Amino acid sequence: GDSVTQMEGPVTLSEEAFLTINCTYTATGYPSLFWYVQYPGEGLQLLLKATKADDKGSNKGFEATYRKETTSFHLEKGSVQVSDSAVYFCALLNYGGSQGNLIFGKGTKLSVKP
Amino acid sequence: DVKVTQSSRYLVKRTGEKVFLECVQDMDHENMFWYRQDPGLGLRLIYFSYDVKMKEKGDIPEGYSVSREKKERFSLILESASTNQTSMYLCASSFGSSGANVLTFGAGSRLTVL
Repeated sequence: GDSVTQMEGPVTLSEEAFLTINCTYTATGYPSLFWYVQYPGEGLQLLLKATKADDKGSNKGFEATYRKETTSFHLEKGSVQVSDSAVYFCALLNYGGSQGNLIFGKGTKLSVKP
Repeated sequence: DVKVTQSSRYLVKRTGEKVFLECVQDMDHENMFWYRQDPGLGLRLIYFSYDVKMKEKGDIPEGYSVSREKKERFSLILESASTNQTSMYLCASSFGSSGANVLTFGAGSRLTVL
């Protein structure tokens, strides 16, 4: 079945460091891909998404490119801030699938130190 | 802004008690979801609903039931709480039938079963 694998955390970085959180997926068809973020004490919120191959999603300085050839959707940010400390979830929804079929990775906790 | 409100942020219940977790959304979304979030396991879908009085099982429905009598409200019910149901419970909602539509999450309800 469909699945999402993301790098295990926790990831600890200094402020202004470069961030990469790897996400790969296994899916039939043409899934949509998402990154959600969960700040401490809050629910998840959408960070960015991409709905077809080679699309780049971006928001708040974060970017991820939908790479069908490598089945990846890695999250990157050039210069992280302390306020980026959160848990990041990669997610997949297969094309034509209901949202009941949204599949989440296990989450990667990011801590950014001043 | 779309708002998903979970009535209780923290609950402590005893084994065998009946537990109700309430979720209300204020943007007329058709779809509503209940997930549980556990460390190392990510998010797992318990139940979801596409319309009033409709419900679908997710990945881990055992031990849970749901109720959707009104479009804006989706309740999760633990008929007889057990210690292995200690977890963070997240409610979410979304609009329409497109797979690319985004989930909006509530802040979560942390349940401890003693």
